[in-house]
Formats: sequence, structure tokens, C-alpha cells
Amino acid sequence: KNQVEQSPQSLIILEGKNCTLQCNYTVSPFSNLRWYKQDTGRGPVSLTIMTFSENTKSNGRYTATLDADTKQSSLHITASQLSDSASYICVVHAGNNRKLIWGLGTSLAVNP
Amino acid sequence: SQTIHQWPATLVQPVGSPLSLECTVEGTSNPNLYWYRQAAGRGLQLLFYSIGIGQISSEVPQNLSASRPQDRQFILSSKKLLLSDSGFYLCAWSSLGDRVVTEAFFGQGTRLTVV
Repeated sequence: KNQVEQSPQSLIILEGKNCTLQCNYTVSPFSNLRWYKQDTGRGPVSLTIMTFSENTKSNGRYTATLDADTKQSSLHITASQLSDSASYICVVHAGNNRKLIWGLGTSLAVNP
Repeated sequence: SQTIHQWPATLVQPVGSPLSLECTVEGTSNPNLYWYRQAAGRGLQLLFYSIGIGQISSEVPQNLSASRPQDRQFILSSKKLLLSDSGFYLCAWSSLGDRVVTEAFFGQGTRLTVV
């Protein structure tokens, strides 16, 4: 069964600190993996997209990694800001159709 | 540039009433269109997707229906709302292609509360 699991479910950090969010997936065949940021009450916004041949991709203070062998991805946030408070969702695109398999997200709270 | 419009932002409807949520995309042609629902504390659930005018695929059996009367218009409807239809509804679009790394762009969502 195609699944995407994220950890931790929620996380609280202090402003300026770094954090890493985890994503494990069992989607097959794999096409690409995406990380989205969703502010409360808003639509998700894409942070990164990676194919199986990409190990790391950065978008400002966000760096995503992908290990296609172990089927794991991480999102590292550097020097967190209050505006980073949001839900971060890992999404895997199954290669045999147009379906996106969504994780439940990690709720991140950055406190001053 | 491409933009996606979704309205209304919030909606409170009584049980048994009809529903119509509209989504339009600008700046692109022949997009793939999607309707998602996100219940509180849950992940996004794909409800419908469309690869062209009049072509609708339903992912889950439910009380809702979707239509695509124009290339860049996607409508989510219900004849009689249930309490369980409450949730956050998101419209999204992406460019076509199974083998192309495409990105999905989301509208701002509609918060539906059925009372």
C-alpha cells in the first residue's frame, strides 16, 4: 500500500534554532517527492521537488534530502523564523498515475 | 504568470442544502485540475481530478460531484450536504504529463461548515 509517514507529528522550537523533519514513504513506483508548507487556513505552497536522482535541494533556509534506497526524505530548516510556523507536508508522486500520496504533515511552531 | 482563484473563502451551510464551490485558473491552458478535502488534523484527500473539459475522475465514493464546464473552470457540488462534508476544500492545478515533474499549485481554500 502506498503510504507516506512523517515525524514528528508536531514540533516546537525557539526562533533562530535549526530543525529537521522526517518523511518515510512506501510509494512504488516512485516519481518524485515534494515538500509543501501550509499556513493555517491557507493552501499548501511548494518548497522543493526532487526526483530519484537528486539527493539534496535547497530553497533559501530550507534544504531537502532524499535517499531513494531507504525511501526517506528530510527537510532541514536553518535559523528558524516566526514565519516558519506552519504545517510541513511531504508528498510523493506515484509514477504509474497522476496520484499524489500525501503525508499528514508536521506541525511546526517557532516561538520567540 | 498563472494564478488560481477559489471562492468563497468560508461558507456555513445547513444540512440538506446544496453546495457549489468554484475554482478558476488563469495564465495556462489545459491544466490538470484537482479538488482536495482536508479534515481537521488529517492529510489532504483527493476527491476529484480532471484532465480535460467534461473529464472527471472520482477518487472516493461520496456525497459530492464535480464538473468542468470550461478548460480552466472546476466546480465542486452537492445536492444535499451532510454534516460529514464539513472540512477545508482545496482546488489545485498542475501541468499535464505523467513523465514530467510537475508541481501542483493550490488555491486559498474554502472552509465549509455544515450545521
